[in-house]
Amino acid sequence: KAGVTQTPRYLIKTRGQQVTLSCSPISGHRSVSWYQQTPGQGLQFLFEYFSETQRNKGNFPGRFSGRQFSNSRSEMNVSTLELGDSALYLCASSLKRDSPLHFGNGTRLTVT
Amino acid sequence: AQRVTQPEKLLSVFKGAPVELKCNYSYSGSPELFWYVQYSRQRLQLLLRHISRESIKGFTADLNKGETSFHLKKPFAQEEDSAMYYCALSGGRGSTLGRLYFGRGTQLTVWP
Repeated sequence: KAGVTQTPRYLIKTRGQQVTLSCSPISGHRSVSWYQQTPGQGLQFLFEYFSETQRNKGNFPGRFSGRQFSNSRSEMNVSTLELGDSALYLCASSLKRDSPLHFGNGTRLTVT
Repeated sequence: AQRVTQPEKLLSVFKGAPVELKCNYSYSGSPELFWYVQYSRQRLQLLLRHISRESIKGFTADLNKGETSFHLKKPFAQEEDSAMYYCALSGGRGSTLGRLYFGRGTQLTVWP
């Protein structure tokens, strides 16, 4: 069974631009969560989607948004990029509400 | 507010020695606790979940509600245990496991 797939693996963007990251969950998994990982703040929860509905949202500004499609694939978008948005963005999926998370390899975003 | 503290950023032991990675949490309800591990160049993966009460790769962890701790232990460390270990908390009943609060991680190095 294929694991969680995130694309692209690496991205370099300029301040003020926007970016879209993609996540394909494990087949059959309906829940997708996103996390930001930085050396300064560690792993921080961004949002969680289940059946195309946002179920939870972390403490991030409105520039961070996401969505989930009917096939459970998810995207997150960051608008008006700031230098501080440089991070590893991890996607994780789970089978159901009380199932543990399975993580992808992440997308490394660098904002210059 | 939920908080997970891993007091040791780095931990080194020799092969065959016992190892204990500390995790303390702050949460007023009934939490679910996890240990995730990230081996070099691999994705973050679940090691232990406290409700499972399993021993995985020789590791065990006991939830101590009185001391609000969930320390990870192994009696005889192996070189292949070298990795980054993260303790994580979920908000308990009614919450989803998609929203985890992570500690900052402990880098374990097992010397031959």
